[in-house]
Amino acid sequence: GAGVSQSPRYKVTKRGQDVALRCDPISGHVSLYWYRQALGQGPEFLTYFNYEAQQDKSGLPNDRFSAERPEGSISTLTIQRTEQRDSAMYRCASSLEEGAAQAFFGQGTRLTVV
Amino acid sequence: AQSVTQLDSHVSVSEGTPVLLRCNYSSSYSPSLFWYVQHPNKGLQLLLKYTSAATLVKGINGFEAEFKKSETSFHLTKPSAHMSDAAEYFCVVRGVGSSYKLIFGSGTRLLVRP
Repeated sequence: GAGVSQSPRYKVTKRGQDVALRCDPISGHVSLYWYRQALGQGPEFLTYFNYEAQQDKSGLPNDRFSAERPEGSISTLTIQRTEQRDSAMYRCASSLEEGAAQAFFGQGTRLTVV
Repeated sequence: AQSVTQLDSHVSVSEGTPVLLRCNYSSSYSPSLFWYVQHPNKGLQLLLKYTSAATLVKGINGFEAEFKKSETSFHLTKPSAHMSDAAEYFCVVRGVGSSYKLIFGSGTRLLVRP
């Protein structure tokens, strides 16, 4: 696609429910990143893929969070048993190759847990 | 560990006057540094990048930044502010090693008065 696409744009869910956030990177981009941005703060790294391989998941806050990119393209970030503290903007970015200077960001998914 | 500190959470300027957004970095290695801009309801956009070439880096929309190793700074400037520059600006350092994650500062909100 022309840019990084994330869906849904907005998600409201009840505490305890599972949610899946989707990221469709720019076609041909090797690397894909997930970030989380709380209100009034900068994005914080969650996890990173090269092709389908998860290279770094050190930023995932706990085992309720997981991500996959099974075919090296679309990625899903899943949060199980959501809690109110999970409310944030979740951003996806992709880059043409590993270590490329520029990452392209999607518009994000605003998650609200009530 | 690498980090960036944005010294001002808000900066207010009049249209037509210079802009200065301050950023200090901490890095054990020669860093790769970036400035990203975030307009409301839009994704993050790369303004400019420093990757150990020229210390004065020019970006889009008339912005530039100077890498000063002695001061561990990477301040963003623009000679004359435009109303359309009102946005949130993030100073970013890239991780090293096997992960190329981006480490964001907390952001500076730029307000431009008519």
